[in-house]
Amino acid sequence: GEEVAQTPKHLVRGEGQKAKLYCAPIKGHSYVFWYQQVLKNEFKFLISFQNENVFDETGMPKERFSAKCLPNSPCSLEIQATKLEDSAVYFCASMPRIMGDSEAFFGQGTRLTVV
Amino acid sequence: RKEVEQDPGPFNVPEGATVAFNCTYSNSASQSFFWYRQDCRKEPKLLMSVYSSGNEDGRFTAQLNRASQYISLLIRDSKLSDSDTYLCVVNPSGTYKYIFGTGTRLKVLA
Repeated sequence: GEEVAQTPKHLVRGEGQKAKLYCAPIKGHSYVFWYQQVLKNEFKFLISFQNENVFDETGMPKERFSAKCLPNSPCSLEIQATKLEDSAVYFCASMPRIMGDSEAFFGQGTRLTVV
Repeated sequence: RKEVEQDPGPFNVPEGATVAFNCTYSNSASQSFFWYRQDCRKEPKLLMSVYSSGNEDGRFTAQLNRASQYISLLIRDSKLSDSDTYLCVVNPSGTYKYIFGTGTRLKVLA
């Protein structure tokens, strides 16, 4: 597609429940990034992929967060046993290449609310 | 110290005013710089890349000062539609991820 598609737009989970978010990158883009944006506009890098391979996962809270990008499927970000502090907007972005001034195209985000 | 720092504002300016934002970054080897804008928690959208020689796009001018490690954004003749949060984004050298500033809020008043 011509835009990064994220689903669902909104997700509400009780503490301790699992949350799964999806991202379909722009067709032909090899790189996918996940970011978490909490209340005060802080964007936190979580993980990036080059095709189906993890490129950089330095931002991932390893205990409860996992992510995948499998061939012919949307990428996914899964949070096991959600906590209140996981409430945030999760943005996915894709890029055609990783170098220079390559623009990152963002999806509309998934707003996760943990209650 | 944060990797990318911005004044959160808000900057409230009248229509037609000129306004400037600065952003400082800590990694002196950073290579790529961008300004994005974001409306009320919607997705960020690229406003412009920032080149070493500085660049202009209509009413928007971006500058990079490597010696002092800051980038700036100048908006001339502000319009109501310029009201947004402006995000400074840096790609540190040796990494392949964008580091975002916390954003500067601009409100252009009629």
